[in-house]
Parts: sequence; C-alpha cells; structure tokens
Amino acid sequence: GESVGLHLPTLSVQEGDNSIINCAYSNSASDYFIWYKQESGKGPQFIIDIRSNMDKRQGQRVTVLLNKTVKHLSLQIAATQPGDSAVYFCAENSNAGGTSYGKLTFGQGTILTVHP
Amino acid sequence: DGGITQSPKYLFRKEGQNVTLSCEQNLNHDAMYWYRQDPGQGLRLIYYSQIVNDFQKGDIAEGYSVSREKKESFPLTVTSAQKNPTAFYLCASSKWGASNTGELFFGEGSRLTVL
Repeated sequence: GESVGLHLPTLSVQEGDNSIINCAYSNSASDYFIWYKQESGKGPQFIIDIRSNMDKRQGQRVTVLLNKTVKHLSLQIAATQPGDSAVYFCAENSNAGGTSYGKLTFGQGTILTVHP
Repeated sequence: DGGITQSPKYLFRKEGQNVTLSCEQNLNHDAMYWYRQDPGQGLRLIYYSQIVNDFQKGDIAEGYSVSREKKESFPLTVTSAQKNPTAFYLCASSKWGASNTGELFFGEGSRLTVL
C-alpha cells in the first residue's frame, strides 16, 4: 500500500538554529499534506498544512515546502526553541475515490531535540 | 472551549478483560476517528465514522469495536481478542464533505496497559 515516511528519525539542534525535518511520500495522488507536533504524552497538534497545488507555505516561524516531482515534503522551523522539542509527524490525504474525509496516512515521526 | 475529550487518561487492564475508551467532541464535527500509537511508530487507523450510526474499519480493526450513537461520542472498546492492546490511543475528529480540509483535531490520548 501507499506510505508516508521520514528520512531521519532524530534531529538534535542548538537553540536559535534553524531545523529542517524531511518526509517522503509515495502516493502520487496525495493532494493534501499536514505537519503535526506531538509532545510527550499528548495528542498531536496541527502545525501547518499545504495543498498539492502549492510549493511553499509559511506560518509563524515555520515553512512547509512541497516538491511533487520527487514526492518530498519538508518542515522548516526558524530560530528553534527548547519548546519546539517534540515528535513531528507528516501526514497525507489522498482523498481517494472522491470520498472527502480526513483519513490521513502518517509517517513514523522525527524526534526533534533542541539544546539550550 | 471546543475540543475533544478522552477518558480515562490512564487505564490498566487484566488479560481477558474488555475495556472501553471514551471520546467526546463539541466541535460539531461529523467525522471521528480512533488511532493507535506504538513507540517508534506513526499513528495507525483503527476505526472511523463519517456520520452517526455508521462506521468503517481502518487498517488495524481486529480486536476492536466502536459505536456512533451520537454525533458527539465515539467510544472504542478494546476486546480480549486484541492480542497486543498495550498502546497509546488517540481519538480525533474532522469536518466532512466539501468543507473538509483533511485536518484532524486530536484528543490528549488514553494510555492502556495490560497487566
């Protein structure tokens, strides 16, 4: 079946550095992508999303880049802070068969550790 | 404030017992979902429901059951048939139809441990 996966399972950065978390997907029909942040013992929280008709989308300190040619998604966090330490998941929705529901396929997750 | 409430946060179960995890949302979302999360893995879909009185199996439905008698509620029962029930369970909801972006809103999770 189709899958969404991450290149790196862990990432350690110094406070103030920029972080880049990568994600590869295999379903060429994917048309919607989301990044979630999950802190220990909590549910995932929405960070930013992007549709397949876009290449880049910016939020507050975060940017998502989508390269459909190579089926690659990345999350960039500017000026990373200790509070950004968490597991980050990418997820995709292929809206298969025209059924418009939020059945997301999640990647494994990347553990981001920010050192003061 | 609108949101999703899961209970209990921690639950211990003896082998052979069924347990039910509660999930309530006041976001007026049509769709609700149950995911299972194991260490080092992503979220895997157990069941989802698009509307009241209807639900569909996800990728790992064996050993689980659900009901959707009310729009706000989507309880998950982990039955004794589930061979490895120890996990972190996450409930989520989303809009449905044309207004749906695919974004899921998650609860805080329920951690089930089988003794």
